[in-house]
Amino acid sequence: SQKIEQNSEALNIQEGKTATLTCNYTNYSPAYLQWYRQDPGRGPVFLLLIRENEKEKRKERLKVTFDTTLKQSLFHITASQPADSATYLCALLSGGYQKVTFGIGTKLQVIP
Amino acid sequence: EAQVTQNPRYLITVTGKKLTVTCSQNMNHEYMSWYRQDPGLGLRQIYYSMNVEVTDKGDVPEGYKVSRKEKRNFPLILESPSPNQTSLYFCASSPAGQLQDTQYFGPGTRLLVL
Repeated sequence: SQKIEQNSEALNIQEGKTATLTCNYTNYSPAYLQWYRQDPGRGPVFLLLIRENEKEKRKERLKVTFDTTLKQSLFHITASQPADSATYLCALLSGGYQKVTFGIGTKLQVIP
Repeated sequence: EAQVTQNPRYLITVTGKKLTVTCSQNMNHEYMSWYRQDPGLGLRQIYYSMNVEVTDKGDVPEGYKVSRKEKRNFPLILESPSPNQTSLYFCASSPAGQLQDTQYFGPGTRLLVL
């Protein structure tokens, strides 16, 4: 069956360092992969999308990579700040880009 | 302001009492979707709609119904709620043909079924 794995444990890093979050998937051939940020008690907020034919995408301090051979996406936040503390979700699109499957998310804590 | 709204935000009900959670968007989006979020399971898609009168099942549709009679509204109906439907529910919308670009999520509805 299709499966998406994100580190379910929290990731703690020091302010100013680069945070790297992992999204692995199996039995899946997504054409698009998205990353969202979710704060406690609030709806997810879209951050970045990467297509299967793209290796890397950047937006300000954010960088996403997509390796379809390894079936893995990495999400990087450079020069991390305490305000970056949140849960980050990856999502894969399939079924004619109509069905969306989310990972359970990784909680990031940036320590001042 | 462009937004997705949900009502109610919090709801406590009893087993078997029919309820409806409303979702409305003011962005003229074709695509709308419902998700539930549970600890350890993440966000799971319940139903989605590509346009008016076009709906389809997501990964966890059992016990839920939806309708899409107008483009802006996509209500979620629980005909006979059960305690295992206690969850945090999110509605989301996306422009037509651009689901891959983004989804805009509502603020969530926290449901407790006793």
